[in-house]
Amino acid sequence: EVQLVESGGGLVKPGRSLRLSCTASGFTFGDYAMSWFRQAPGKGLEWVGFIRSKAYGGTTEYAASVKGRFTISRDDSKSIAYLQMNSLKTEDTAVYYCTRFEYSSSLFDYWGQGTLVTVSS
Amino acid sequence: DIVMTQTPLSLSVTPGQPASISCKSSQSLLHSDGKTYLYWYLQKPGQSPQLLIYEVSSRFSGVPDRFSGSGSGTDFTLKISRVEAEDVGVYYCMQGIHLPPYTFGQGTKLEIK
Repeated sequence: EVQLVESGGGLVKPGRSLRLSCTASGFTFGDYAMSWFRQAPGKGLEWVGFIRSKAYGGTTEYAASVKGRFTISRDDSKSIAYLQMNSLKTEDTAVYYCTRFEYSSSLFDYWGQGTLVTVSS
Repeated sequence: DIVMTQTPLSLSVTPGQPASISCKSSQSLLHSDGKTYLYWYLQKPGQSPQLLIYEVSSRFSGVPDRFSGSGSGTDFTLKISRVEAEDVGVYYCMQGIHLPPYTFGQGTKLEIK
């Protein structure tokens, strides 16, 4: 069974940093790109960024709203994807979801349960 | 960025009746590979989003056949042939061709009468 479990969320002050983790199981992690999405309270879904699998270069892409502040990385040996968030702003407050990208059908098929990040002084 | 516009933003449906949601993109979602990268997700209350439809009309594994997707180019529709109580939630369309970023519609909230 495919499982994605996010962790690391919490309350943080503006300007500080936080690192989220996404621990995967039930599939060969290294074969998939991994992505992060977020959802501000009462709002819609927003794509944050993704990291390609090593076979596709392991490169990253980011939304303009987080580029230069957020970094996605992966540890295939541990089946974990990370979202390093620096210089956090109040508008980064959201539930952050980790997803798996399936290359053959070009889709985000499985999502984690999400972890809440609250940026507030 | 591609703008995705959904209508209506909310709808109330009697169980057993059909429902339809429209999604329009600001640019064509037809890729040079011949595929159209339009997806539909459902976010049930208190849950993470779940994939319903990919490439306009392909149902994801386990999705009931009362859900169907159609459309082409910039105009797309999600239809539920007979709404059930478990279908309540917010439906989102998403485009996956003009990247980055992936962009979503505003969401359509479905409730049961």
